[in-house]
Amino acid sequence: GDSVTQMEGPVTLSEEAFLTINCTYTATGYPSLFWYVQYPGEGLQLLLKATKADDKGSNKGFEATYRKETTSFHLEKGSVQVSDSAVYFCALSENTGNQFYFGTGTSLTVIP
Amino acid sequence: DAGVIQSPRHEVTEMGQEVTLRCKPISGHNSLFWYRQTMMRGLELLIYFNNNVPIDDSGMPEDRFSAKMPNASFSTLKIQPSEPRDSAVYFCASSSLRAAGYTFGSGTRLTVV
Repeated sequence: GDSVTQMEGPVTLSEEAFLTINCTYTATGYPSLFWYVQYPGEGLQLLLKATKADDKGSNKGFEATYRKETTSFHLEKGSVQVSDSAVYFCALSENTGNQFYFGTGTSLTVIP
Repeated sequence: DAGVIQSPRHEVTEMGQEVTLRCKPISGHNSLFWYRQTMMRGLELLIYFNNNVPIDDSGMPEDRFSAKMPNASFSTLKIQPSEPRDSAVYFCASSSLRAAGYTFGSGTRLTVV
């Protein structure tokens, strides 16, 4: 079945450090891939998405490239800020349906 | 667009009481999802609806939990009777095949004492 595996946290970085959160997936078809972010006390918000292989999603300085050959969708940011402290979820959705499969979430704390 | 609206934001109740959580999805979205989030188990899908019809309720923990979607603009998740282990944040999300993404509500933080 479909599933998403993302690196376990928590991750703690200093401000302006480079961020990578790994995500790999298993899917039977050709899924769309997503990163969601959850700030403290809030719901999940869509951060970026990619709908086909080699697409790059980007938003707020974050990027992720849909790599079909490695079944990966790693999240990166060149210079993190304290305001990026949150929990990040990788997710996939088969394009034939509406159900999403979420990873377990990775907690990021950025310290000044 | 007001987004997905959940109520109440916070609920504190005594063990054994009935709890009803409410959700209004985004207009035009034909799928609705109920999730539960806890520190121990993370984000769990409880049930989802397509076009107001329950499609998969295999995530509903036990018979104390029930969900309904009487029309396209409203859904409820009911716990009767509630237990302390039901304490969690419950999220509602909606989507459409065209949207290619969920929109989550702000959640209901349930505390059962």
